[in-house]
Amino acid sequence: AQSVTQPDIHITVSEGASLELRCNYSYGATPYLFWYVQSPGQGLQLLLKYFSGDTLVQGIKGFEAEFKRSQSSFNLRKPSVHWSDAAEYFCAVDFTNAGKSTFGDGTTLTVKP
Amino acid sequence: DAGVIQSPRHEVTEMGQEVTLRCKPISGHNSLFWYRQTMMRGLELLIYFNNNVPIDDSGMPEDRFSAKMPNASFSTLKIQPSEPRDSAVYFCASSPTGTRFGEQFFGPGTRLTVL
Repeated sequence: AQSVTQPDIHITVSEGASLELRCNYSYGATPYLFWYVQSPGQGLQLLLKYFSGDTLVQGIKGFEAEFKRSQSSFNLRKPSVHWSDAAEYFCAVDFTNAGKSTFGDGTTLTVKP
Repeated sequence: DAGVIQSPRHEVTEMGQEVTLRCKPISGHNSLFWYRQTMMRGLELLIYFNNNVPIDDSGMPEDRFSAKMPNASFSTLKIQPSEPRDSAVYFCASSPTGTRFGEQFFGPGTRLTVL
């Protein structure tokens, strides 16, 4: 079955430290890949997406993600975390390129001062 | 654009009552999604429409739930009768075609509490 795995339920980092959130998916072809962020009490907002081309994609708020076909991964990174980045992050995968995404369970990021 | 609009933002009702959640997608978007989010089950896709037609309703939990999209600018999610286990945040999202295909724009959600 098609699935999206975010192995880390909760991550804590210090402000200014680097961040990497993991996302793995099950499937053979190259799907469409997304990262969303959800601040408390808010809906989800798109950070970045990958459809094709350069496997390193840049998003909003200084985030980037790298698609690695061999590992079926699309990890999210940020070189220096700000306190305002504390939120829940969701990886989403459109396996059939038809506009419907499967979401991971999310990773909650806590930022220590 | 005002973004995806959902109403009400909060709803408190008693078990057995009918609940109707409303969504206005972003103008020009042709896909609309209803999600439910709880601590226990995370984010679940309930149903999605394309060009006002329901495409996949496999996530609708049971017959008490129904969704309609009578036109491109309005959708409802109805629960009748409601039960305490329906308490959750319900999100509506819409998605365009073209260069932003696949990207979903979420509304602020409706927090439903069934007593």
